[in-house]
Amino acid sequence: DAGITQSPRYKITETGRQVTLMCHQTWSHSYMFWYRQDLGHGLRLIYYSAAADITDKGEVPDGYVVSRSKTENFPLTLESATRSQTSVYFCASTENSYNSPLHFGNGTRLTVT
Amino acid sequence: AQSVTQLGSHVSVSEGALVLLRCNYSSSVPPYLFWYVQYPNQGLQLLLKYTTGATLVKGINGFEAEFKKSETSFHLTKPSAHMSDAAEYFCAVRDSNSGYALNFGKGTSLLVTP
Repeated sequence: DAGITQSPRYKITETGRQVTLMCHQTWSHSYMFWYRQDLGHGLRLIYYSAAADITDKGEVPDGYVVSRSKTENFPLTLESATRSQTSVYFCASTENSYNSPLHFGNGTRLTVT
Repeated sequence: AQSVTQLGSHVSVSEGALVLLRCNYSSSVPPYLFWYVQYPNQGLQLLLKYTTGATLVKGINGFEAEFKKSETSFHLTKPSAHMSDAAEYFCAVRDSNSGYALNFGKGTSLLVTP
């Protein structure tokens, strides 16, 4: 089925560990995004990508790294996880158009202990 | 940068009553506005969008929203609430500085009581 798939759905890790969240889309959308959702903050943009090998920072990029070697994949890496990165992470994609909505995955709930 | 403010983090209505969720936007350019719904443990699902043209926009599940430039508002309404409408609702505006990203409000949790 077409759509966005995020994995894992749930992850528990320890402070200081590296963890990678995966995102895969089947629409061939050019633009992809990573958001984090925290109570009282809504959704905040971490990083976005306009195409393969083109990425840029969003509102809250510190502590995160992204890559995009293929159009369909956009992994997010926490190089050294901290408790403040405990959150729900959403990947999204869209077409190159101001009219187009973002399409979201089901999220990854990450807990850093 | 474009932004939205959602008034009321929690709204409670009775089943069958009018639902009104408020959203005001700030934008120096014509805005592209969206409403999303989020059910527990799920991603965000598009309810409706305003781009250009008709100011009254109809979406899924009986929701609609009216774009009012004079009031910089894009409030979401539904004539008669159902129990299944209980969810988190997010208003969003397109951010011209971050590719095609959306800037989201902080969300409004809708509770529907019998």
